[in-house]
Amino acid sequence: NAGVMQNPRHLVRRRGQEARLRCSPMKGHSHVYWYRQLPEEGLKFMVYLQKENIIDESGMPKERFSAEFPKEGPSILRIQQVVRGDSAAYFCASSLTGISAGTTDGYTFGSGTRLTVV
Amino acid sequence: DAKTTQPPSMDCAEGRAANLPCNHSTISGNEYVYWYRQIHSQGPQYIIHGLKNNETNEMASLIITEDRKSSTLILPHATLRDTAVYYCIVRVPNSGTYKYIFGTGTRLKVLA
Repeated sequence: NAGVMQNPRHLVRRRGQEARLRCSPMKGHSHVYWYRQLPEEGLKFMVYLQKENIIDESGMPKERFSAEFPKEGPSILRIQQVVRGDSAAYFCASSLTGISAGTTDGYTFGSGTRLTVV
Repeated sequence: DAKTTQPPSMDCAEGRAANLPCNHSTISGNEYVYWYRQIHSQGPQYIIHGLKNNETNEMASLIITEDRKSSTLILPHATLRDTAVYYCIVRVPNSGTYKYIFGTGTRLKVLA
């Protein structure tokens, strides 16, 4: 029973290049969340997706960042024209159900992708 | 903005109980308190959660005050492997699911 899988674990990009971060949720989970963690800081919420839909992107920068969770395949966080300030750890989490089910299941986090922009 | 406040750091002797406090004075009646920890730079790991009653599992105990404005995570016999950043989180309903708003956490160092 694999957990949340993120790849790559480490990604180095030059300024101006594109970064693609992938997240495969736990089997059966249809809710995916992306968080960003700058060095020595806590995790900051970026975006919440369900299959094929972006539900809440209030934490995602308006420019250069986009996210998707297609019907088939992993969720993708894409950063275009990366800058040094994008260097951070990006974590993905998934959950089984949403609020309507009245459950208290927590998030399961992946091991993260560490993006370094040089 | 985080709805919780925690001390930035704590030390604990190996084998002793580690008591990590958290204030969440603006918590609403149906909002749960969750605790996660992050070892080195790994992904956060779930520890425990509760609403109003005290909770215990194989990892820790969670004591929530009667007014629910604060809670304490207890690691009964801390080991060196428990050295980590511990996050107290209030789970906030959002867009049909829940949003976890992380604060800066407490950096626990277990000393040999």
